[in-house]
Amino acid sequence: DQQVKQNSPSLSVQEGRISILNCDYTNSMFDYFLWYKKYPAEGPTFLISISSIKDKNEDGRFTVFLNKSAKHLSLHIVPSQPGDSAVYFCAPWGGSNYKLTFGKGTLLTVNP
Amino acid sequence: DTAVSQTPKYLVTQMGNDKSIKCEQNLGHDTMYWYKQDSKKFLKIMFSYNNKELIINETVPNRFSPKSPDKAHLNLHINSLELGDSAVYFCASSHERTTMRVDYGYTFGSGTRLTVV
Repeated sequence: DQQVKQNSPSLSVQEGRISILNCDYTNSMFDYFLWYKKYPAEGPTFLISISSIKDKNEDGRFTVFLNKSAKHLSLHIVPSQPGDSAVYFCAPWGGSNYKLTFGKGTLLTVNP
Repeated sequence: DTAVSQTPKYLVTQMGNDKSIKCEQNLGHDTMYWYKQDSKKFLKIMFSYNNKELIINETVPNRFSPKSPDKAHLNLHINSLELGDSAVYFCASSHERTTMRVDYGYTFGSGTRLTVV
């Protein structure tokens, strides 16, 4: 029962270009959508979030877009930097159990 | 000053053994969690405790027993370890169970890699 799908296991981009990471979900009861970044041998760290009542949230180089009708969100990183190379997890929150549900992650590699 | 700390970071043990993983948070959060990341890389919630009370138990085998002596600690004890228990276990905490702090979400520890041989 995969409520959160990140269909691209990996993404490779050139430094300075845009990275777009996608996420699809099935549960319309989610209240917030979070993105986490994970480096090897470390725990996930919070990156950016968006409320279900908004369609865009921006924080520096990172922008998250939410399309509720399509149950789709995306994370844009502009410009991409080599230090952005990590696994990115989409993690919606809410519903009846109030828990953070994770996608499988997308490995982003930013090449110098 | 680590916010969520787990020990040990690595644990290698034989099948059938009993082991524990400890977790402590110094953020003053009310809710703590255990997540498991298996070989397929899914991060799945196992347990959630709110102020020492078990809230979520995601159909985890009863060989896994969480213990929360106070709201700053959530330990995970595993009995009769099996090969399939090999995974990375993450502890996390949040401000409160039913509200989401959108500026930081859940705070995770760095993980414990458990290898059962």
